[in-house]
Amino acid sequence: EADIYQTPRYLVIGTGKKITLECSQTMGHDKMYWYQQDPGMELHLIHYSYGVNSTEKGDLSSESTVSRIRTEHFPLTLESARPSHTSQYLCASSEHRANYGYTFGSGTRLTVV
Amino acid sequence: AQSVTQLDSQVPVFEEAPVELRCNYSSSVSVYLFWYVQYPNQGLQLLLKYLSGSTLVKGINGFEAEFNKSQTSFHLRKPSVHISDTAEYFCAVLLQGGSEKLVFGKGTKLTVNP
Repeated sequence: EADIYQTPRYLVIGTGKKITLECSQTMGHDKMYWYQQDPGMELHLIHYSYGVNSTEKGDLSSESTVSRIRTEHFPLTLESARPSHTSQYLCASSEHRANYGYTFGSGTRLTVV
Repeated sequence: AQSVTQLDSQVPVFEEAPVELRCNYSSSVSVYLFWYVQYPNQGLQLLLKYLSGSTLVKGINGFEAEFNKSQTSFHLRKPSVHISDTAEYFCAVLLQGGSEKLVFGKGTKLTVNP
């Protein structure tokens, strides 16, 4: 059973609104990641963190921002949502050695209208 | 930079038939290899992984994969599929001793028909 939680599961919001997608894990993992997934496309890494107060941008440019104030919490924020942000956002975490694999949350499906 | 190619975007099969989902990777250094499964409206779940040792890796739900270094492949197989195996399957690589970031393929949609 996954110990990484994402809320909300589904979100429909109007253009220009500020939104925060929540991600929490109870495994004490150092490393956390945000991926963006569009239908029929590979997962693209948009942000990652290797520990508290450490955040980096991923391979896919994103207008979102993240923070890592606590080990267990890695929220993603969009200051002004646009229809182009419509996608599924997946949060994941891994132990210090990532070759054990990532644990994924159930995802947040965001629709901006 | 490493990359992952999943050769089939969709694979339809009948129940109880065998299936193979193909994955090739490109990397200038050694890699770790993973297969994940994603059921509708869910996150990704780890099926199996290759770190070192035996090239035949067994995972959950009766799946197995074989690492072939010379062909840079990591194909996923199951001898007899069930309706419940219908899902999206993702192959991923992680550089050994490098960036701790998984790189995913585009996924293969497996549809098991009765």
